[in-house]
Amino acid sequence: QQQVKQSPQSLIVQKGGIPIINCAYENTAFDYFPWYQQFPGKGPALLIAIRPDVSEKKEGRFTISFNKSAKQFSLHIMDSQPGDSATYFCAASPDNDYKLSFGAGTTVTVRA
Amino acid sequence: DGGITQSPKYLFRKEGQNVTLSCEQNLNHDAMYWYRQDPGQGLRLIYYSQIVNDFQKGDIAEGYSVSREKKESFPLTVTSAQKNPTAFYLCASSITGGSNQPQHFGDGTRLSIL
Repeated sequence: QQQVKQSPQSLIVQKGGIPIINCAYENTAFDYFPWYQQFPGKGPALLIAIRPDVSEKKEGRFTISFNKSAKQFSLHIMDSQPGDSATYFCAASPDNDYKLSFGAGTTVTVRA
Repeated sequence: DGGITQSPKYLFRKEGQNVTLSCEQNLNHDAMYWYRQDPGQGLRLIYYSQIVNDFQKGDIAEGYSVSREKKESFPLTVTSAQKNPTAFYLCASSITGGSNQPQHFGDGTRLSIL
């Protein structure tokens, strides 16, 4: 039973488009929400992370939006490029707990 | 360069055989983790170690064993009791075992059954 539900499973956009990946959770103890990017044959790499005390965070072309009341958060990739084609995972962990619960992943393909 | 090294990249197991996956880090991190990745299921935690000579079971520890004799090393043994071992195995580390500590991943070992 996954504690973090991620959608869609995959999506395809044209270069310059804005892929949006959504995640939802039920555990109100979750306090840390990182996103990881994984290229084929490689391990995931931390992309960006957010705490529930902010509603939005930007790092370069990547933006996390957070809706605490709805228990949802999402990743937007602005001006997407073919090099952004990868699998993206959302995750969550409670405060003072090492354990990350991962979403099932979204494979993003950006066509040139 | 600091990082996490997993070896081998590909591994094949015969029926009834135990195999060991290597994970070494030179980041001076206290905490280390093993995850299993299956298509469409995200990452699931197998074992976790916060400090040398101490480790805890994760969500799917059955059929696996670990040791943590040195800070930089956290090998995973896939035993014959693990009936469905075919997967991509990822090792990670973080500075400490607390929350909000970014986990850094190696490039994985892909295990298959012969």
